[in-house]
Amino acid sequence: GENVEQHPSTLSVQEGDSAVIKCTYSDSASNYFPWYKQELGKRPQLIIDIRSNVGEKKDQRIAVTLNKTAKHFSLHITETQPEDSAVYFCAASTGGGFKTIFGAGTRLFVKA
Amino acid sequence: ETGVTQSPTHLIKTRGQQVTLRCSSQSGHNTVSWYQQALGQGPQFIFQYYREEENGRGNFPPRFSGLQFPNYSSELNVNALELDDSALYLCASSFNDRAYGYTFGSGTRLTVV
Repeated sequence: GENVEQHPSTLSVQEGDSAVIKCTYSDSASNYFPWYKQELGKRPQLIIDIRSNVGEKKDQRIAVTLNKTAKHFSLHITETQPEDSAVYFCAASTGGGFKTIFGAGTRLFVKA
Repeated sequence: ETGVTQSPTHLIKTRGQQVTLRCSSQSGHNTVSWYQQALGQGPQFIFQYYREEENGRGNFPPRFSGLQFPNYSSELNVNALELDDSALYLCASSFNDRAYGYTFGSGTRLTVV
């Protein structure tokens, strides 16, 4: 079945450094790739998304890149801050389809 | 505009019992998807309801069932609870079964003892 793999499972960076989280997906029909941030005990919140007709998207300190040929996409956070510490989930979806498949998550620690 | 609300927030049940979880979709949304999130894992798709009909199902047994009502709110029912059913259950609403615009509720933490 469809699968999304996410790496690393844990990432620790120094405040001000960059963080990169990578995901690969198996369903070639996937055309929508959201990223969610989940703080402890809270709901997942969408932080950025990208559609398959775009290779890169940026929103302030956050950027996402997509390589459809290789079926992988990445989240880049620059100038990390302690409040960026959370679990980040990537996901892949057929967009107009009926399910969004999530990766297992990356726990990001930003050390002050 | 109201967000997605789930009830109850926490629940403790005994193995073998049945449970019903509820979700009210965001105003303007007509699609509800349910996910199970075990501790330390990503959300796993259970099923989706669109216009009161099941519109896709993940790898969950038939004892996981659901309903969607005319006001687009939804219920998740789990029969014959097992210890492994202990998890955070999330619902997400969207418009016309699109994945973009997903809005998650805060979840129901179910503990089976």
